[in-house]
Amino acid sequence: GAGVSQTPSNKVTEKGKYVELRCDPISGHTALYWYRQSLGQGPEFLIYFQGTGAADDSGLPNDRFFAVRPEGSVSTLKIQRTERGDSAVYLCASSSGRGLGTEAFFGQGTRLTVV
Amino acid sequence: AQKITQTQPGMFVQEKEAVTLDCTYDTSDPSYGLFWYKQPSSGEMIFLIYQGSYDQQNATEGRYSLNFQKARKSANLVISASQLGDSAMYFCAMREFNTDKLIFGTGTRLQVFP
Repeated sequence: GAGVSQTPSNKVTEKGKYVELRCDPISGHTALYWYRQSLGQGPEFLIYFQGTGAADDSGLPNDRFFAVRPEGSVSTLKIQRTERGDSAVYLCASSSGRGLGTEAFFGQGTRLTVV
Repeated sequence: AQKITQTQPGMFVQEKEAVTLDCTYDTSDPSYGLFWYKQPSSGEMIFLIYQGSYDQQNATEGRYSLNFQKARKSANLVISASQLGDSAMYFCAMREFNTDKLIFGTGTRLQVFP
C-alpha cells in the first residue's frame, strides 16, 4: 500500500483479555515506531525497531506489553491482561532508515478501548 | 535526557494573522533533528517542517517557518496568514542522532477564528 496501515482501526476488549495490534509499514522502510496517545496528549514513545530488532524498547510501560517484527516489515504490538488504563490510540510510524531528517509517516492508529 | 516541552495547551488566532507555537527541548546529543507535526481532528499525523541542529538557516515550508534558537534550545513554529483549516493539534518532536528515537511534546491546540 501507499501508506502505513494499522489494523484494526478500532478494538474493544474486556479487561484481562489479550489483544494484538498490527502495523504494516511503507514498503522498504526499515525503521518502525509504536506510540500510545491518550486523549488530549502527545504521542508517547513505546518502542522502536530498526529492521527486525528492537533498537529501543524503553517506553514499554510494563511486561504486559510486547512487540515483534520478525521479518523486518509488519509489526505486532501485543498487550496481555489488558487494563482499563491501556485504553488509548496506538499509533505506528515508519521511516526509510536512520537519519536525523528522515520523515516518519504515521498510520491512522488503532483505538483500543478496554471495558 | 531527551525531552520536548510545549507550554501552550491552547492558542487562538484570527484568520489571516500569524501565530507562533512554542517548543523548547533538552538533549545532550550535539546532533539532533526537530520536527513539527499537525494532527487534525481526524487523527492523522501530518509532517510540516524539519530543522537539523547544524542547519545554519531557519527552515521554511510555505506558510510554515521554524524559529530555531539553538543557544536557548527553542524551536518555535510560526504559521503565517492563518487559515481556518489550520485549526488542529500541533506537536513538536525531536530525534537524537545517537538513539534515533523520535519523541513528542504534549502539543498545542490551535484554533483559528474568522
